[in-house]
Amino acid sequence: AQSVAQPEDQVNVAEGNPLTVKCTYSVSGNPYLFWYVQYPNRGLQFLLKYITGDNLVKGSYGFEAEFNKSQTSFHLKKPSALVSDSALYFCAVREGSNSGYALNFGKGTSLLVTP
Amino acid sequence: GAVVSQHPSWVICKSGTSVKIECRSLDFQATTMFWYRQFPKQSLMLMATSNEGSKATYEQGVEKDKFLINHASLTLSTLTVTSAHPEDSSFYICSPNPGNEQYFGPGTRLTVT
Repeated sequence: AQSVAQPEDQVNVAEGNPLTVKCTYSVSGNPYLFWYVQYPNRGLQFLLKYITGDNLVKGSYGFEAEFNKSQTSFHLKKPSALVSDSALYFCAVREGSNSGYALNFGKGTSLLVTP
Repeated sequence: GAVVSQHPSWVICKSGTSVKIECRSLDFQATTMFWYRQFPKQSLMLMATSNEGSKATYEQGVEKDKFLINHASLTLSTLTVTSAHPEDSSFYICSPNPGNEQYFGPGTRLTVT
């Protein structure tokens, strides 16, 4: 079985400050980890993914995430938050490279960046 | 590349009627299609998985006779919500998968009155 946990329902940060959105995962094999962002009434936008290789993954819009195998975490980070980053963020995991398996999503974390 | 469209983007229907949602991959082909639904302020939940030309596999708790999935080609899949009820009101998102990538449609907002 595979699962992800996003422990925070909401994260508040001031514009210009660094942000972190937390995610931990549980899989029996090698994890394939993803971050998506969703704006109101919109579909998912891909931010980044970890398949293999460097633990620090850089993605779209200045976001990055660090894969930590010992802590089974894949936290999303950005050095300087923008008000336009305010949205709903989902962490997801897929067990293995086979795309025949669907993604398992976390419950989502609402990010609010204040001016 | 990797453009996915869903039609309609939003629909309002009366209880008891049926609604068909189309999902098209515009610049790639996908053997596998996932359908998700998302209730307000909740995560995406997988409803079913379909492979082109085969019957869909439904997740536990999802009624196959209520949510009819047709995956007739590598670029088109449809989800029909039959005899819709207000509790079916949700955001439905398709996800065609051509290989190792994971793409998502823009979603369809269904409201059943």
